[in-house]
Amino acid sequence: ESVLTQSPGTLSLSPGERATLSCRASQSVRSSYLAWYQQRPGQAPRLLIYGASSRATGVPDRFSGSGSGTDFTLTISRLEPEDFAVYYCQQYGSSPLWTFGQGTKVEIK
Amino acid sequence: QITLKESGPTLVKPTQTLTLTCTFSGFSLSTSGVAVAWIRQPPGKALEWLALIYWDDDDRYNPSLESRLTITKDTSKNQVVLTMTNMDPVDTATYYCAHRRGGSSLIDYWGQGTLVTVSS
Repeated sequence: ESVLTQSPGTLSLSPGERATLSCRASQSVRSSYLAWYQQRPGQAPRLLIYGASSRATGVPDRFSGSGSGTDFTLTISRLEPEDFAVYYCQQYGSSPLWTFGQGTKVEIK
Repeated sequence: QITLKESGPTLVKPTQTLTLTCTFSGFSLSTSGVAVAWIRQPPGKALEWLALIYWDDDDRYNPSLESRLTITKDTSKNQVVLTMTNMDPVDTATYYCAHRRGGSSLIDYWGQGTLVTVSS
């Protein structure tokens, strides 16, 4: 089973700043099988990025994903107030089918 | 428009069996490639995939919980049911059902979730 490790655990930033979130896999992941989700308090996760770098429908272009192999990154170019949330990376594998990272919380500094 | 909604008990006792229902709209589980998953999230913790059922009744389970889980579907009612046996306080979590995009690995739509507390 491939484990996803996200860093940092918490990111304290101000609105307008750039956020860089990391997701590292213990085994190589096909880029097409790497996704990012945003979860606001009390809400279900929302798909942001799939295939490592493709934005889901309706996702602002300040969100971008990159990476390959075992290292993936989610970047938020300029933080808006609604972007302060928890972000999870997710991979699709064989067994279990999906695993998630432990999350990175982006909080207001 | 795809929507999903979970329903079931909010409180179960240890050793009891949990039964959750996912009622969905906007797609059919008889369409080739479509699947519905269950995922849970303990309070303040990360997400954990539990089970998946495909349009053709094939299913998959998280190996760590497979012996306790059963997933079924009722296509005519647009429902998917998850049962989890021998509930324990560590199973306290918000349980989500979600739509898997046909023919892909992508979970693209989620229900709002339902919080299940396991306590005597």
